[in-house]
Amino acid sequence: GESVGLHLPTLSVQEGDNSIINCAYSNSASDYFIWYKQESGKGPQFIIDIRSNMDKRQGQRVTVLLNKTVKHLSLQIAATQPGDSAVYFCAENQGYSSASKIIFGSGTRLSIRP
Amino acid sequence: GAVVSQHPSWVICKSGTSVKIECRSLDFQATTMFWYRQFPKQSLMLMATSNEGSKATYEQGVEKDKFLINHASLTLSTLTVTSAHPEDSSFYICSASPLNQPQHFGDGTRLSIL
Repeated sequence: GESVGLHLPTLSVQEGDNSIINCAYSNSASDYFIWYKQESGKGPQFIIDIRSNMDKRQGQRVTVLLNKTVKHLSLQIAATQPGDSAVYFCAENQGYSSASKIIFGSGTRLSIRP
Repeated sequence: GAVVSQHPSWVICKSGTSVKIECRSLDFQATTMFWYRQFPKQSLMLMATSNEGSKATYEQGVEKDKFLINHASLTLSTLTVTSAHPEDSSFYICSASPLNQPQHFGDGTRLSIL
């Protein structure tokens, strides 16, 4: 079965608030995780990634946290905007190389309230 | 940036026909590409790994004679759904990785079998 999963299928956030999307994984040997955003009718779009030698990584308005002890990672989106509405997937890269296959979690749909 | 292109973006065909979907890496070479299938409101499920110049590697439960993959050049992989039936209707997505970069995904092909 899948080694990556999500706690909640949907998340509704007030515009301007921060969003936190959670993800659990089961394989303690996993060492490379990626967050993707998928808008309706499109392919997944890379947001941010993190390797197991880090516990935090920041991008533009996004932060990924990795807790290897409890095998959990999260994606934080600051000042959520209407354009952030999408389905967010955490994914495990099954190998050290970026050319390795990726296994997706079940996804969280983020909706923004005006 | 790196772009992965799929064609066609949408196709409708009669049951029993075969359909070919193309995946191209537009500004980089890819010895490995990946094919995914996504049903409505579900996650992406990896179908197979397409290897340039050699046979594809299929995930467990995916029929290799049903889903033919050809990776004849470093920028093109094709997926042919043979003798398609309504249950094959889905969103098919490919991905490829430029050197030392995360996987980039195409915008998918929506296949509808009547």
